[in-house]
Amino acid sequence: DIQMTQSPSSLSASVGDRVTITCRASQRISSYLNWYQQKPGKAPKLLIYAASSLQSGVPSRFSGSGSGTDFTLTISSLQPEDFAAYYCQQSYSTPHTFGQGTKLEIK
Amino acid sequence: QITLKESGPTLVKPTQTLTLTCTFSGFSLTTSGVGVGWIRQPPGKALEWLALIYWDGDKRYSPSLKSRLTIAKDTSKNQVVLRMTNMDPVDTGTYYCAHSRTTVFGDDAFDIWGQGTMVTVSS
Repeated sequence: DIQMTQSPSSLSASVGDRVTITCRASQRISSYLNWYQQKPGKAPKLLIYAASSLQSGVPSRFSGSGSGTDFTLTISSLQPEDFAAYYCQQSYSTPHTFGQGTKLEIK
Repeated sequence: QITLKESGPTLVKPTQTLTLTCTFSGFSLTTSGVGVGWIRQPPGKALEWLALIYWDGDKRYSPSLKSRLTIAKDTSKNQVVLRMTNMDPVDTGTYYCAHSRTTVFGDDAFDIWGQGTMVTVSS
């Protein structure tokens, strides 16, 4: 299995801050990397696919970058509704493993 | 509009077999590039990819659970069924089904998720 490692595991930030979450794959996965947001008690929501493509309906303050083994999710200006957990997922080979998650909390 | 909904028991005993059904609408599982996957999440923990079935019948499983899992589709009923044998308390969690699409870049993404169903394994 390809292992996905996210950092940090948790993060405190304020409304308006720029935030970056990192995801590293245990082997090269080209650009086959997705990002999801999950709020408490809710199903995950797809934000970014293919490393940098914004899913329809997702605000443009979310962006993704990277290829190979290192990827980032950036939120340019945090909004109150962005405080949630974020997961990366590789779709290069099955099983399409997820990272352990990053919990974004209000400072 | 694509929707998915999971159904099945909320409580199972250790060693029993869990059968979950994902009933979907708004798409056909015979359309090229489409799949339905299962993902679970223990309370307070991360997401875990379990299995995926594609439009052409190709089935993929998590290697660590492959001996316990069976995924199947019934296109006439718009359903995907997941069976997990020999349930254990560590299998407690929320089980999600999700629509998978193969993007223009050739990779897969779960773009629409069901609400999830909580399954507790306890005697």
